[in-house]
Amino acid sequence: GIQVEQSPPDLILQEGANSTLRCNFSDSVNNLQWFHQNPWGQLINLFYIPSGTKQNGRLSATTVATERYSLLYISSSQTTDSGVYFCAVSGNTPLVFGKGTRLSVIA
Amino acid sequence: DVKVTQSSRYLVKRTGEKVFLECVQDMDHENMFWYRQDPGLGLRLIYFSYDVKMKEKGDIPEGYSVSREKKERFSLILESASTNQTSMYLCASRKTNSYEQYFGPGTRLTVT
Repeated sequence: GIQVEQSPPDLILQEGANSTLRCNFSDSVNNLQWFHQNPWGQLINLFYIPSGTKQNGRLSATTVATERYSLLYISSSQTTDSGVYFCAVSGNTPLVFGKGTRLSVIA
Repeated sequence: DVKVTQSSRYLVKRTGEKVFLECVQDMDHENMFWYRQDPGLGLRLIYFSYDVKMKEKGDIPEGYSVSREKKERFSLILESASTNQTSMYLCASRKTNSYEQYFGPGTRLTVT
């Protein structure tokens, strides 16, 4: 099945810093989503982005499908950005999740 | 707004008990999913359902069963709970012609 690798596994940032999270996947996909899991466990959709670039406020994402990777950019990070960021992909099967990047933003 | 609810946020059960975890969505979604989340392992798919009375095994179905009698409700059943089933359980739903998947708040189950 499809393999998903996320890096880095852990990231600590000072408030106001920028960061880039990476997701590599092993096969062609027609679905790629980024999720944020807040400290209370709720998973929130950030982006549906099987290809191209999208932006939503301080967050943006780019997927290069031909090279099988996606990047999530967080600019001017805030303490509320803390949590775990998951990348999930699928072809014609249910979503396969990476192990996540745990982000801690320190004031 | 898409809403997926789970019956309990926290649950403590004893080894050998039968455990029911309930998930309800109010978006008329055909597809529903159960995942478990463990530290360092990400989310792993237990079972999913494409429609009422349909079910498919995911990656780790052993020790679990599911029931989908109504479109809005998808139940996960632990027939005889064991300590290695202590985990966070997450339910999700999705419309068939949409890729976006929505999650419930999770149930943190502890089996003692």
